[in-house]
Amino acid sequence: SAVISQKPSRDICQRGTSLTIQCQVDSQVTMMFWYRQQPGQSLTLIATANQGSEATYESGFVIDKFPISRPNLTFSTLTVSNMSPEDSSIYLCSASTGGGIDTQYFGPGTRLTVL
Amino acid sequence: GDSVTQMEGPVTLSEEAFLTINCTYTATGYPSLFWYVQYPGEGLQLLLKATKADDKGSNKGFEATYRKETTSFHLEKGSVQVSDSAVYFCALRDDYKLSFGAGTTVTVRA
Repeated sequence: SAVISQKPSRDICQRGTSLTIQCQVDSQVTMMFWYRQQPGQSLTLIATANQGSEATYESGFVIDKFPISRPNLTFSTLTVSNMSPEDSSIYLCSASTGGGIDTQYFGPGTRLTVL
Repeated sequence: GDSVTQMEGPVTLSEEAFLTINCTYTATGYPSLFWYVQYPGEGLQLLLKATKADDKGSNKGFEATYRKETTSFHLEKGSVQVSDSAVYFCALRDDYKLSFGAGTTVTVRA
């Protein structure tokens, strides 16, 4: 298994600003993922982050809005850029060690409120 | 594409009642199936999983069986407790991506 921590746990931001969320895993993992959970809704995958390559974004998400870094096998960041109230969500980091039957483990989430 | 359809909530039960949350899926391949639970104010936790047809996942008194013929993975618990109050998400994994259902909010009253 993997234990995942995220910082900050929550934040309140002004529109037009940017916030960087950090995700730390307690072991080396091959794949890391970023999800968004809008209020009362399910999880939507934003992008997949692999070490040493560009992140792969899902339909509806772009790098300019959600730049991602993956500098090593235990750490990743997600930046929410030029925020608007519609970006108010919980952002979750997830990690997988890869393999066909592997499990994804989730961090506690970052609750973002944009005013 | 792959998708998960989950029983809508909210569901309210009394303690010791039987809980079933229906989940069906659509997938082109042979996905692994999962139930995740999100307790109030917390992140997602893996509850149980099944990786092939007829596998039964179980944990904390919860069970779910991977039924390929009905493309289902229904979650059951015979006797719920107040501490089982949470949001439950059914999910499938095909290749490396997880697709989640909408989530079912369960409230158990003493």
